Amino acid sequence: GQQLNQSPQSMFIQEGEDVSMNCTSSSIFNTWLWYKQDPGEGPVLLIALYKAGELTSNGRLTAQFGITRKDSFLNISASIPSDVGIYFCAGLYFGNEKLTFGTGTRLTIIP
Amino acid sequence: NAGVTQTPKFQVLKTGQSMTLQCAQDMNHEYMSWYRQDPGMGLRLIHYSVGAGITDQGEVPNGYNVSRSTTEDFPLRLLSAAPSQTSVYFCASSLTRMNTEAFFGQGTRLTVV
Repeated sequence: GQQLNQSPQSMFIQEGEDVSMNCTSSSIFNTWLWYKQDPGEGPVLLIALYKAGELTSNGRLTAQFGITRKDSFLNISASIPSDVGIYFCAGLYFGNEKLTFGTGTRLTIIP
Repeated sequence: NAGVTQTPKFQVLKTGQSMTLQCAQDMNHEYMSWYRQDPGMGLRLIHYSVGAGITDQGEVPNGYNVSRSTTEDFPLRLLSAAPSQTSVYFCASSLTRMNTEAFFGQGTRLTVV
């Protein structure tokens, strides 16, 4: 099946720093999604990308759909304490009907 | 508007016991799915449904059954629980099968001893 490699697995940063994470796939996707999961909660959709090369922002978050359709990137600018959590990428290939998730990036903010 | 509701939130089972994890959504979504989340492995799809009366297998379906008799409900049944099924289970729903904006429940933390 399709594999999504997400990196880094974990990040320890100070408040105010910028964050970058990425996701790569062994095959192409038509849609890339980025989710955030807070402790004890289900994932919540942050950004959806539908077109190769697309760059979309949601407040301090910016995500890009890679030109090859096999990767996606998420940046968080000027991190704040509520950014702590696990970030998941997910990909969808039309006709497959199944959302494939990455393994997650755990973001921790060091006081 | 409750969204996606999962019950129970926590459950401990003995090996060999059976149980049903409940999932209900009130958004009239066609597409519903069940995932399990294990450390370091992300979310893996167990079963999904594109509408009432239609279900299909995901990536890790063994040991689980589902049914979709109504649009709102999508229960997940563990037939004979095994320690390998210790996990956090999430139900999700989205408007259509394209599944671009899946809404997740809060999860059920299951321990099989």
